[in-house]
Amino acid sequence: QVQLVQSGAEVKKPGASVKVSCKASGYMFKTYFMHWLRQVPGQGPVWMGIINPSDGSTSYAQGFKGRVRMTRDTSTSTLYMELSSLRFDDTAMYYCARGIENDYFDSWGQGTLVTVSS
Amino acid sequence: QSVLTQPPSVSGAPGQRVTVSCTGGTSNLGAGYDVHWYQQLPGSAPKLLIFDNTNRPSGVPDRFSGSKSGTSASLAITGLQPEDEADYYCQSHDRSLGASVFGGGTKVTVL
Repeated sequence: QVQLVQSGAEVKKPGASVKVSCKASGYMFKTYFMHWLRQVPGQGPVWMGIINPSDGSTSYAQGFKGRVRMTRDTSTSTLYMELSSLRFDDTAMYYCARGIENDYFDSWGQGTLVTVSS
Repeated sequence: QSVLTQPPSVSGAPGQRVTVSCTGGTSNLGAGYDVHWYQQLPGSAPKLLIFDNTNRPSGVPDRFSGSKSGTSASLAITGLQPEDEADYYCQSHDRSLGASVFGGGTKVTVL
């Protein structure tokens, strides 16, 4: 079955960068576009961007352009999301999710808590 | 302020029927984009519950159903069960933003 396993929790200082990984298994890695989302407790998820694992092309949400970078390693079926210039309000749970028809998300990783604290 | 609007909470007794509304606008639901629903249990990632307005993924009980009309959509839970207590989110695509958008979530409480 589809599994998306993310890296562990991170604590970072303001201004630093964080890199979260998401290892995919149980399906053909290059076949499905992958997304990154984040969620603050008590709020709905926010879409951050999309990556095509086949060619590495990306598209980012307007609010994250210039600060986010999504990459992939096809040899290990692993996705990466790097967010730079961290601010206190970047504290959130970050998820990778598999996209269907670039429309909805049928499988999610377990989430990675990123805490920005001085 | 979420692009899609949901009530913060709904509640019902076991066995009852509850509905969760999701209201959008002319650049998302009203533009013909499909709505999808997710269930999020405490401490867990969201789980796909309804896709393309009315369809249930394999394994989702048929007491969950979805509908969409114009700029609004609804999730109905019939025969409410204690294990249905969770947060529910609607999601669609917004043409103006060029992005997937979510509602703020509705907490369903089983009395």
